[in-house]
Amino acid sequence: SQQGEEDPQALSIQEGENATMNCSYKTSINNLQWYRQNSGRGLVHLILIRSNEREKHSGRLRVTLDTSKKSSSLLITASRAADTASYFCATDAEDYGNNRLAFGKGNQVVVIP
Amino acid sequence: SAVISQKPSRDICQRGTSLTIQCQVDSQVTMMFWYRQQPGQSLTLIATANQGSEATYESGFVIDKFPISRPNLTFSTLTVSNMSPEDSSIYLCSVIAPRTDTQYFGPGTRLTVL
Repeated sequence: SQQGEEDPQALSIQEGENATMNCSYKTSINNLQWYRQNSGRGLVHLILIRSNEREKHSGRLRVTLDTSKKSSSLLITASRAADTASYFCATDAEDYGNNRLAFGKGNQVVVIP
Repeated sequence: SAVISQKPSRDICQRGTSLTIQCQVDSQVTMMFWYRQQPGQSLTLIATANQGSEATYESGFVIDKFPISRPNLTFSTLTVSNMSPEDSSIYLCSVIAPRTDTQYFGPGTRLTVL
C-alpha cells in the first residue's frame, strides 16, 4: 500500500515561532489529511486538502499541496505550548480506494513555553 | 463532523486471552475502519467494516485474529484474539463523516498484553 511519509524530524521550537513539517507520497491521491495526536491519544482531524487544491487555511494552520512533487506541508504559525503533539499526514490514494488512508510516520513537535 | 466513542479506553490483558473493543458513532455511517498503532509507530489499517457485509482485511491481518462485527450503521466491534505481547498497541476506529471525505477517529483503546 502507498505510504505518506513525513520528513522524520522532531521539531523543538519556542512558543510564538512557526513550525513547518512536510509529507511526501508516492502515487496519485484523491485527498490528503493532516491529524494531530497528543500523548498517544486519539487523532484530531486538522485539515483535508483535495488533489485539485493548492493551499488551505484553518486558523493558525496552513496546508499546501504540490501534486507535481507529490508533497504537502503543514505550517503552524505563532505556536503555543498546547501545539506540542505528533502530527501525521494521511493520503487517500486513487488506486488504494474506498477512503482507506495510508499514514506517514509522523512528526514530533515540542513547543517550549 | 462525527463523534466517536470507544470502550474500553485501556486494558491490560494476559497472553492467550481475547479482548473485544467497541466503537460507537453518533450518526449513521456506511464505512467504519479499524487501525492499529504500535508503540512509537504510525497507524496501520487493519480492516474496513461495512454494515451488512463481511469486513475487508488488509494484507497481514486475518479474520481469525481480528474478527469484526458491524451489526448496524452506528456500531462496530473489533476482537483481538489469542493475544500476545506483540498485540500491545493502540486500536482506533474511524468513520467517514456523512457527505464528506473527512475521516474522524475515536479516542483509541490502549491495549497492553502481558
